[in-house]
Amino acid sequence: AQSVTQLDSHVSVSEGTPVLLRCNYSSSYSPSLFWYVQHPNKGLQLLLKYTSAATLVKGINGFEAEFKKSETSFHLTKPSAHMSDAAEYFCVVSDPRTGGFKTIFGAGTRLFVKA
Amino acid sequence: GAGVSQTPSNKVTEKGKYVELRCDPISGHTALYWYRQSLGQGPEFLIYFQGTGAADDSGLPNDRFFAVRPEGSVSTLKIQRTERGDSAVYLCASSSSGQGFDTQYFGPGTRLTVL
Repeated sequence: AQSVTQLDSHVSVSEGTPVLLRCNYSSSYSPSLFWYVQHPNKGLQLLLKYTSAATLVKGINGFEAEFKKSETSFHLTKPSAHMSDAAEYFCVVSDPRTGGFKTIFGAGTRLFVKA
Repeated sequence: GAGVSQTPSNKVTEKGKYVELRCDPISGHTALYWYRQSLGQGPEFLIYFQGTGAADDSGLPNDRFFAVRPEGSVSTLKIQRTERGDSAVYLCASSSSGQGFDTQYFGPGTRLTVL
C-alpha cells in the first residue's frame, strides 16, 4: 500500500530565511510525487511534480523538491521565504498501477512566515 | 479560461437528508476527480472518471455515496441519508487527458455541514 507522511504539522520561519517542508513516502512501486499549496479561501494549486525524470524538480514561486529514493523522501525547499508563502502545503503520492490517477494526500504542513 | 467550478459553495442539511453536489470541470478535460477534505486533514480520494465512466471508485466510503458524469463533462456527487460524519469540504478536480500524472486543477470546494 502507498502512504505519505508529512513530518511537521506546522513550520514557522522568518521572511527571507529558508523553508524546508518534509515529506516521506512509502510505495512498493516507483511513485509519482507532487506538492500542492492551499491558500486560505483558495483552491489547491500544483507547485511541482516528480514523474521519474530528473530527481531535482523545480516548481513555481521558487520552490523545489528532491526525490531521494534511498531515503524515501521528497522534501520541499525554498531559499528565501516570502510573506505570500504562508499557506497549507500537501505532499501527494500517486499509484502508478492505476495510471497515476489515484492519489494519496499527506495531512498537510501549515507554513507560517513572520515579518 | 474558466477554471473548475463547484456548486453550491456551502450546503447545510439535516441528518438523514439527501444532497447533491455539482462539479463543472475545465472544458475539454476528460478526467474528473472527487475528494473529501475533513477539518485539519488532507484531501481524501473518493472517485475518478475518465469520460463518462467511473474508472476507480474505491475511495467512496460506503454505498450512501454515488457519483455520475453522464455526458463526460459535469459531474454530480450524491449522498443519501447523510450523517454528521459526512460534514467536510468536497473538492472536485479535473485534468486534461489520459495521462495519469497530468496536473489536476481543483475547484474551490463545497462545504457540507450535516446537522
